[in-house]
Amino acid sequence: DAGVIQSPRHEVTEMGQEVTLRCKPISGHNSLFWYRQTMMRGLELLIYFNNNVPIDDSGMPEDRFSAKMPNASFSTLKIQPSEPRDSAVYFCASSLQQNYGYTFGSGTRLTVV
Amino acid sequence: KNEVEQSPQNLTAQEGEFITINCSYSVGISALHWLQQHPGGGIVSLFMLSSGKKKHGRLIATINIQEKHSSLHITASHPRDSAVYICAVCSNTGNQFYFGTGTSLTVIP
Repeated sequence: DAGVIQSPRHEVTEMGQEVTLRCKPISGHNSLFWYRQTMMRGLELLIYFNNNVPIDDSGMPEDRFSAKMPNASFSTLKIQPSEPRDSAVYFCASSLQQNYGYTFGSGTRLTVV
Repeated sequence: KNEVEQSPQNLTAQEGEFITINCSYSVGISALHWLQQHPGGGIVSLFMLSSGKKKHGRLIATINIQEKHSSLHITASHPRDSAVYICAVCSNTGNQFYFGTGTSLTVIP
């Protein structure tokens, strides 16, 4: 199994542009999580899905952030418009059940200039 | 106030030493996770606990639900254990996740 696959690995964009981060969970996993990590705030959970349904999006910072999971093998996190304070590493993780041991992707390092 | 507190923040040990990292939390939880983040940035889930103790190789994790406290122990530490160790809990109300700020461990040969 290739593990959780995130793309791109690095993204540099200008302020105001739309950014889309992608995640492919491990096949058979039915929970998917999006996290953000910054030096100032550490690791934060943004949103998670069970069986493709968003369960808790209270961690999504603003309306500029949105996440979708159209099917069991793909999820996106979109920021529109992006701002410099969105610069962070964004991790995706999946698990068999909500609390059953996670597998993390390698992360997407986003820089908004 | 943080819902999850870890100690110490930084830890340096000699190779072979026994290491303990502590995590205290203030909310009711359904599960506690220990994560390891290597200098390259990748995150690995080490343990998920809801009670008792788990062991994997040289790593041992314990949890005391009554005291709202968990410990991660590393026996016979090795330089490759150098990483940031993060404690995270899932609350039993509202499915909120809370993260500690991490313990940065450096094991010196």
